[in-house]
Amino acid sequence: DTGVSQDPRHKITKRGQNVTFRCDPISEHNRLYWYRQTLGQGPEFLTYFQNEAQLEKSRLLSDRFSAERPKGSFSTLEIQRTEQGDSAMYLCASSFSQGRSGNTIYFGEGSWLTVV
Amino acid sequence: GNSVTQMEGPVTLSEEAFLTINCTYTATGYPSLFWYVQYPGEGLQLLLKATKADDKGSNKGFEATYRKETTSFHLEKGSVQVSDSAVYFCALSGGEGGYNKLIFGAGTRLAVHP
Repeated sequence: DTGVSQDPRHKITKRGQNVTFRCDPISEHNRLYWYRQTLGQGPEFLTYFQNEAQLEKSRLLSDRFSAERPKGSFSTLEIQRTEQGDSAMYLCASSFSQGRSGNTIYFGEGSWLTVV
Repeated sequence: GNSVTQMEGPVTLSEEAFLTINCTYTATGYPSLFWYVQYPGEGLQLLLKATKADDKGSNKGFEATYRKETTSFHLEKGSVQVSDSAVYFCALSGGEGGYNKLIFGAGTRLAVHP
């Protein structure tokens, strides 16, 4: 399977703990995205990378959240001092930038986070 | 800013019924439009897309036409199956928001019963 893969698929953590999610994009894709999806809602954009550079961050991405893509391949999303409101599915996606249009974004299966 | 509005669900249909899920958008310029589908417990899969006005995207019997005059991208299927039960998301990229991210609607849940 050469799609976007995410790990772990499910994580239950206690409030105040740190968690880290990993994403491996489709191999030839230069863009990588993180989204958050809560129950009954559409995904919300968090941040994206072009190669190793983080080019845009949503205001939803508080100081407790940090994302990295050190070698322009896989990415990690870390949440520090988790809160119950962080419970959501974290979706990773990737694309090959073609400029203006046709930039189809492919999603992974998501990482479910439950903060108890 | 850019936004997407979808009809509220759930939409409940019998097998072989005709499906329409309405989607309208607000954006400046010329966004690209997408429909994604999410099956229970899974991530999103691209269903179809259209990148300019009057384009029709189609896949697996689903169709949607990019209507700039009505700022709409309604999803249709002539005969739904039980396996089509899922949540459907309309999304756009481009316009003021740039082509760097997708803006999603809230999703419409479809339930098809035999």
